[in-house]
Amino acid sequence: QKEVEQNSGPLSVPEGAIASLNCTYSDRVSQSFFWYRQYSGKSPELIMSIYSNGDKEDGRFTAQLNKASQYVSLLIRDSQPSDSATYLCAVNIAGGSYIPTFGRGTSLIVHP
Amino acid sequence: GAVVSQHPSWVICKSGTSVKIECRSLDFQATTMFWYRQFPKQSLMLMATSNEGSKATYEQGVEKDKFLINHASLTLSTLTVTSAHPEDSSFYICSAITILAGANTDTQYFGPGTRLTVL
Repeated sequence: QKEVEQNSGPLSVPEGAIASLNCTYSDRVSQSFFWYRQYSGKSPELIMSIYSNGDKEDGRFTAQLNKASQYVSLLIRDSQPSDSATYLCAVNIAGGSYIPTFGRGTSLIVHP
Repeated sequence: GAVVSQHPSWVICKSGTSVKIECRSLDFQATTMFWYRQFPKQSLMLMATSNEGSKATYEQGVEKDKFLINHASLTLSTLTVTSAHPEDSSFYICSAITILAGANTDTQYFGPGTRLTVL
C-alpha cells in the first residue's frame, strides 16, 4: 500500500524566514511529486510539481526531490503571513492508471 | 494551468432530499475525475474515481447507492447525494487530471469545492 507521510504540524515560522516542509513516501516506483496549498475553507491549489532528483525553483518556492531516500520537500523563502495554509504532498506513478496518493498535510503558520 | 469548476459553490437542503453537484473541466478534456470529501480540520478523503463512459470506482466504505456519480462527457462529472442527512454535511471537492505541455505525467487540478449543509 502506498503511503505518503507528512508531519501535521503546525510549523510556525516568523515572517521573512525559510519554511521547510517535508514529505516521505513508501512506494519506490513513484515518479511524480506535487505540492498543493490549501487555505482554510478552500480547495487545494497546485504549487509545484517535480519529477527528477534535485531542486526545482519557482519564485519563492523550491521543491527538492531525493528518490534514493524517498523524500520530497518544499522550501518557502521569505515566508509571508499569506503563506499560512496547509501544504499537501502528493505522489503518483507515471504511466498506467493514475492513482493519487496524498499526505495528510502540514499546517504552516507564518507569524508577523 | 487547467481550470476546473464546480456548481453550486454551496447548498443548503433539507434532510431526505437529493443534491446534485457538477464538476466541469473548462479548458481540457478529462477522462478521469475524482470526488473528495473533507470534514472540518480533517484531511482530504477520496470518495470515488469517475471515468468517462463507465461506472465510477468507489473507495472502501463509500456507499455507491448514496453517492451517485455520472461522467457522461469528457468535461462533466456529477455527484448526487441521495437522501441526504445531516452527517453528509461536508465540503465536497472534485478534481480532474490532465497532462500539461512540458509535463511527463498526469497532474491533478481541483475545483473550488461545494459546501453542503443538510438541515
